[in-house]
Amino acid sequence: GAVVSQHPSWVICKSGTSVKIECRSLDFQATTMFWYRQFPKQSLMLMATSNEGSKATYEQGVEKDKFLINHASLTLSTLTVTSAHPEDSSFYICSARTGGRVSYNEQFFGPGTRLTVL
Amino acid sequence: KQEVTQIPAALSVPEGENLVLNCSFTDSAIYNLQWFRQDPGKGLTSLLLIQSSQREQTSGRLNASLDKSSGRSTLYIAASQPGDSATYLCAVRSSGSRLTFGEGTQLTVNP
Repeated sequence: GAVVSQHPSWVICKSGTSVKIECRSLDFQATTMFWYRQFPKQSLMLMATSNEGSKATYEQGVEKDKFLINHASLTLSTLTVTSAHPEDSSFYICSARTGGRVSYNEQFFGPGTRLTVL
Repeated sequence: KQEVTQIPAALSVPEGENLVLNCSFTDSAIYNLQWFRQDPGKGLTSLLLIQSSQREQTSGRLNASLDKSSGRSTLYIAASQPGDSATYLCAVRSSGSRLTFGEGTQLTVNP
């Protein structure tokens, strides 16, 4: 299956700093990438959807100025958590979808990034 | 709004047992349904993808069925092993192309 990587796998930062998380599709071109966050023992919550070269579409309740998403190429998307606070501590997972007909697309997930804000 | 429910929330079985995980969804207008596995602190591994026109998919000891009209899917795991212990997530893709996830079933297979 297709491989999606994330970097870093974990990060600890001080409150008020910004953190960038990278998501790469290693062996396919991802026209669409997704960012999710997951709290302990809960399911994934979609934060935003990004198409290459376009602005990301954010889900209701997700602050676009706080969670900056850039999808500059067909293999790379970045999520920047700006002015991070302890409540932003979570597990962030990216996902990439192959191109073609939406109905036949399979979504592949990265290994996740554990963010801890002190 | 699509809602996905998984039952049971947790399941503990002895090694070798066959088991069934259930997933239900409220809006039957789906494109496809995916079953994922998530190990603690890890990302998601796709197990099976069933298109809306299909009724089942098989991969090794796993078999997933889909009854779109009734809004149900099951994941059947044969001859369970301790290495199968993980959280299993069901997700459906419907209008707008987003995936809606269930809360997951936490499976423990005891040696």
